[in-house]
Amino acid sequence: EAQVTQNPRYLITVTGKKLTVTCSQNMNHEYMSWYRQDPGLGLRQIYYSMNVEVTDKGDVPEGYKVSRKEKRNFPLILESPSPNQTSLYFCASSSSTGTGYEQYFGPGTRLTVT
Amino acid sequence: RKEVEQDPGPFNVPEGATVAFNCTYSNSASQSFFWYRQDCRKEPKLLMSVYSSGNEDGRFTAQLNRASQYISLLIRDSKLSDSATYLCVVTPSGAGSYQLTFGKGTKLSVIP
Repeated sequence: EAQVTQNPRYLITVTGKKLTVTCSQNMNHEYMSWYRQDPGLGLRQIYYSMNVEVTDKGDVPEGYKVSRKEKRNFPLILESPSPNQTSLYFCASSSSTGTGYEQYFGPGTRLTVT
Repeated sequence: RKEVEQDPGPFNVPEGATVAFNCTYSNSASQSFFWYRQDCRKEPKLLMSVYSSGNEDGRFTAQLNRASQYISLLIRDSKLSDSATYLCVVTPSGAGSYQLTFGKGTKLSVIP
């Protein structure tokens, strides 16, 4: 089954404790991306990757890091989480179609930083 | 001006009703357009792409008006299962066409 998986699905942590949210896709997609979704603000892009070893900042990259060492994986790293990073996080992947890039989303990771 | 704007709703409609959502975008160079559906606390899922000539998928019809920079989604014969938030999505042209810009969504509740 074609899918994007994220782990963990739920995480409660404390300020300053480094964490990693994993993302993996089995569709051989070149493009992967991370978003956060907050009430009233919609989906905002954190980082994206066009292919292995190619990453770039999205709209809200502060406080996050990513890496793309393999095509299928795109982990999101919070080196020193803060309460304002409490959010719902989605990973997505896509390949181009005739009319653009249709993205497939993972199930989401709900992060709470206390 | 926000890049992609949608009426947040909620739209509360009875079963069987026809409902239409509009979305405006500010970047005239936008190239690709989509409607995504998001159920409560779930991931967004592609509902349909929006083509320049307009397109239909069952009870759903999407249209694009480039001159006025808006896209629309029409849902006919609404079902209870259509209750969700509908996200308007646009992408720029050229090398940045992978960069999706999401509207904040329009919430639809279909009532028995």
